[in-house]
Amino acid sequence: QVQLVQSGGEVQKPGASVKVSCKASGYKFTSYYITWVRQAPGQGLEWMGWISAYNGVTKYAQNFQGRLTMTTDTSTSTAYMELMSLRSDDTAVYYCSRGVDYFDMWGQGTMVTVSS
Amino acid sequence: EIVMTQSPASLSVSPGERVTLSCRASQSVSNNLAWYQQKPGQAPRLLIYGASTRATGIPARFSGSGSGTEFALTITSLQSEDFAVYYCQQYNNRPLFGPGTKVHIK
Repeated sequence: QVQLVQSGGEVQKPGASVKVSCKASGYKFTSYYITWVRQAPGQGLEWMGWISAYNGVTKYAQNFQGRLTMTTDTSTSTAYMELMSLRSDDTAVYYCSRGVDYFDMWGQGTMVTVSS
Repeated sequence: EIVMTQSPASLSVSPGERVTLSCRASQSVSNNLAWYQQKPGQAPRLLIYGASTRATGIPARFSGSGSGTEFALTITSLQSEDFAVYYCQQYNNRPLFGPGTKVHIK
């Protein structure tokens, strides 16, 4: 069945970077976009950006310009999201999802905690 | 920039009741509107896209309507598993989620 499985939770210090993985299975990876969405504790959903798994083209939300990088490895059907210069308000659950407009499949989420 | 609002912010409903949730966009998003359900500790689940098309496997008790700036999600005969937070999301330009409506048991 179609599945997105994300890497485990992370604790990072302010100023550090975090890289979250999202392994896809059950469908042709290169036929879809992967979108990343985050959710701060008790808050709503925030779109971060997307990457085309076909050609690697990316689009990032303005809020993250300069410190967000999305990549894919088509040999392993895995997408990656790296966020740099972490701040305490980056503490959130990070989700990968399939799609570019609406998102029909989601990973289980990865909790990233930023704390000194 | 588009602003999405949802009302009410929360509501108490008894099982078996019909509920209608509202979503409003500050400018027209045509029918580029999706609805998601999220339960505690879980990822969101796509319910509706294109304002009114049910996603694969979504029960017929969920229906979406509207276009332009006013949208609604209706759940007929609410089941115990439907108590959750519901988010609308426009994709007419960069994706943007509404703040959510929490549906809890009366």
